[in-house]
Amino acid sequence: AQSVAQPEDQVNVAEGNPLTVKCTYSVSGNPYLFWYVQYPNRGLQFLLKYITGDNLVKGSYGFEAEFNKSQTSFHLKKPSALVSDSALYFCAVREGGDYKLSFGAGTTVTVRA
Amino acid sequence: DSGVTQTPKHLITATGQRVTLRCSPRSGDLSVYWYQQSLDQGLQFLIQYYNGEERAKGNILERFSAQQFPDLHSELNLSSLELGDSALYFCASSVVEGNSPLHFGNGTRLTVT
Repeated sequence: AQSVAQPEDQVNVAEGNPLTVKCTYSVSGNPYLFWYVQYPNRGLQFLLKYITGDNLVKGSYGFEAEFNKSQTSFHLKKPSALVSDSALYFCAVREGGDYKLSFGAGTTVTVRA
Repeated sequence: DSGVTQTPKHLITATGQRVTLRCSPRSGDLSVYWYQQSLDQGLQFLIQYYNGEERAKGNILERFSAQQFPDLHSELNLSSLELGDSALYFCASSVVEGNSPLHFGNGTRLTVT
């Protein structure tokens, strides 16, 4: 069975500092990995995905994520955080051949001015 | 705006009642997914349809059912409602199955009293 873990409930950073949101996954086959962001009272918005190829994936709003197969991780990063990046971030995984997308518990990011 | 429309935005009903949540996917999207988001359970996958056919089932209770109609809109029916069914219900759509990102609606907030 596929699963994803986000070990941190909350991440707090100062504006302008690097932001990292951690994600580890567990699948028996090839993973397809996604990051989504949720703002208050809104649905989830797609940020980026890893399917195959380059381990560094670039996405929307200056975010990127690095796929690490040996560590089964897919951490989300942003070199310089903005106050407007404050939101709830979800990592998700789909195993090849499976239709279900499984989400982590989410990490609340707070960027202070 | 994701292009996914969910109605109603809010729903307040009593225990034992039945409600129907409606979802119109993005134009051109054939796949529809339903998710339940609650504080204690996180984001739980309920069910997926592709072009009118059920493709995957997650943690969906027997009291819940869904369908996708020929015009591709979908409905989630919740019956014999319990207090614990109070949650945010999201619909998402994608172009095809597999690795296409999901586009989420803004959700229906269900409150069971």
